[in-house]
Amino acid sequence: SSELTQDPAVSVALGQTVRITCQGDSLRSYYASWYQQKPGQAPVLVIYGKNNRPSGIPDRFSGSSSGTTASLTITEAQAEDEADYYCNSRDSSGNHWAFGGGTKLTVL
Amino acid sequence: QVQLQESGPGLVKPSETLSLTCTVSGGSISSYYWSWIRQPAGKGLEWIGRIYNSGSTNYNPSLKSRVTMSLDRSKNQFSLKLTSVTAADTAVYYCARVVAAAVVSWFDPWGQGTLVTVSS
Repeated sequence: SSELTQDPAVSVALGQTVRITCQGDSLRSYYASWYQQKPGQAPVLVIYGKNNRPSGIPDRFSGSSSGTTASLTITEAQAEDEADYYCNSRDSSGNHWAFGGGTKLTVL
Repeated sequence: QVQLQESGPGLVKPSETLSLTCTVSGGSISSYYWSWIRQPAGKGLEWIGRIYNSGSTNYNPSLKSRVTMSLDRSKNQFSLKLTSVTAADTAVYYCARVVAAAVVSWFDPWGQGTLVTVSS
């Protein structure tokens, strides 16, 4: 199965820690990647693989995975972290990809 | 630094074919997968398909009957054709490079996106 499930919305107080999760059977076999999208902008890769950040992504972003759940954790969330976050992974065949439905993060 | 730029008509009539091109600059189109992703207004991302340097393709099963991807190595471009479009195909279309190895994969970089509206 290539279906990935995310909570539609999550909120976090400024400076606190928040975890955004992504569930799917394919996550037993493949790592998720995570994307941040702000209004009117293209998605930006923030985490890939076991826990890798592209150049320029702050170290307050981290990733983890256990069984069928992948998680994106933002430590000491900042106002600029308010955005939509999408997970992505391959399906069991390895030849198709799917995105989760997205999580809207609000920083209070 | 690799950059991607989508181009194509912003308006397509219902039942006609949507055609977009992604131009890759700052790097070769060889040795990577390349993908198209779309996003209807206010909705999430939908993976459309991927093409490899060899020309091999994989498409989203929900769109497979209407999608064709191709690439032009001489121009460092890859393209998307989506036939028999309806209003449901109205979306921002993104192209992206896919890095895939064993159990790890990611989409980076992305183009800025291009809005395609299906309307008569």
